[in-house]
Amino acid sequence: NAGVTQTPKFRILKIGQSMTLQCTQDMNHNYMYWYRQDPGMGLKLIYYSVGAGITDKGEVPNGYNVSRSTTEDFPLRLELAAPSQTSVYFCASRTGTGDNQPQHFGDGTRLSIL
Amino acid sequence: EDQVTQSPEALRLQEGESSSLNCSYTVSGLRGLFWYRQDPGKGPEFLFTLYSAGEEKEKERLKATLTKKESFLHITAPKPEDSATYLCAVRDSGAGSYQLTFGKGTKLSVIP
Repeated sequence: NAGVTQTPKFRILKIGQSMTLQCTQDMNHNYMYWYRQDPGMGLKLIYYSVGAGITDKGEVPNGYNVSRSTTEDFPLRLELAAPSQTSVYFCASRTGTGDNQPQHFGDGTRLSIL
Repeated sequence: EDQVTQSPEALRLQEGESSSLNCSYTVSGLRGLFWYRQDPGKGPEFLFTLYSAGEEKEKERLKATLTKKESFLHITAPKPEDSATYLCAVRDSGAGSYQLTFGKGTKLSVIP
């Protein structure tokens, strides 16, 4: 049971480059989330999706874009990389019903912008 | 605005030395408090969900409790393998799509 899979695990980008962080889940979860985690800070929500074709902004969406064409995949796009986007990015998913269902996380993508 | 504060930021324990981690929160209405464990280089791993004051959950050496303003994660006779960062998160009744607000975490080190 793979759960939530994120690729790549590590990446170094130059300022102004673009890239897509991939996230896929095999649990048929409706809800998916993208977070960033900076040293000494809590996880901050970037974007989320409640199902295929539906996305919405979280707390820190500037500089990012997302799409959700299938239930399984929720890629995060950085169009013009900036040093402030150096961070660890986590994708999470949860089932669609029940308050007691937790979010399940992938192991993250560590991104450095130089 | 929801706030989640965890203390201490870091905690060093000798193996077998029991202690507690604190998570205090401010929400308009609590719909769930979640504890996660995060190992270096890994994503958060779910431990417990608590809903109402007085509720308790246990798993091996860990016990989570909840009051109206805070939650405690009690660690009894910890072992080195319990070393990790422990994250607390809350879901507010006003938060759509099961969004969570996370604290900054407590980094626990258990020394043999």
